[in-house]
Amino acid sequence: GAGVSQSPRYKVAKRGQDVALRCDPISGHVSLFWYQQALGQGPEFLTYFQNEAQLDKSGLPSDRFFAERPEGSVSTLKIQRTQQEDSAVYLCASSPGEGYGEQFFGPGTRLTVL
Amino acid sequence: SQKIEQNSEALNIQEGKTATLTCNYTNYSPAYLQWYRQDPGRGPVFLLLIRENEKEKRKERLKVTFDTTLKQSLFHITASQPADSATYLCALVLSNDYKLSFGAGTTVTVRA
Repeated sequence: GAGVSQSPRYKVAKRGQDVALRCDPISGHVSLFWYQQALGQGPEFLTYFQNEAQLDKSGLPSDRFFAERPEGSVSTLKIQRTQQEDSAVYLCASSPGEGYGEQFFGPGTRLTVL
Repeated sequence: SQKIEQNSEALNIQEGKTATLTCNYTNYSPAYLQWYRQDPGRGPVFLLLIRENEKEKRKERLKVTFDTTLKQSLFHITASQPADSATYLCALVLSNDYKLSFGAGTTVTVRA
């Protein structure tokens, strides 16, 4: 079956622009995670959804970052007024249960802010 | 502060040899630990999970050990192949938690 998909794969934004990154998790997966990965580093947790409920947003770096999953499937990560330090790969992952165990990652969206 | 450290240097090994990667952590009490493989331009792919009460796990040519006293996990790739060349990430999960806390990864290159 299809894995986790993300779009766009690449996004270039001018500083100050708003961007929206989309994640399509594996169908039926309850849990959805967003991570941010800087070059040469491991992914860092941003936020977690269980169905449509955002249970943890402790990793969001600022109030310019906002995530939603309104119907418990597709999720969108929005970054307002992008800054150069927001340049990174944004990874989405899903898992079938309530967060425990293996996570299935998408290919990521590479965001470059000029 | 909490830290997860993996081999700081990249690992270059000859095909057929065993690659051993380390993951050390401080100020964590993980309930379990996972290892992922990441290829350039792709997301991490799950390899193995080991719980705090397990000492060792195996899957095909992969072996993971977990020593909660030393606060260390070792990841072994036996009979390595060029196709094993990738970055390997360890990730911890705390009790009653779900998010993965990752190390920076170790890049392995297997020479034919």
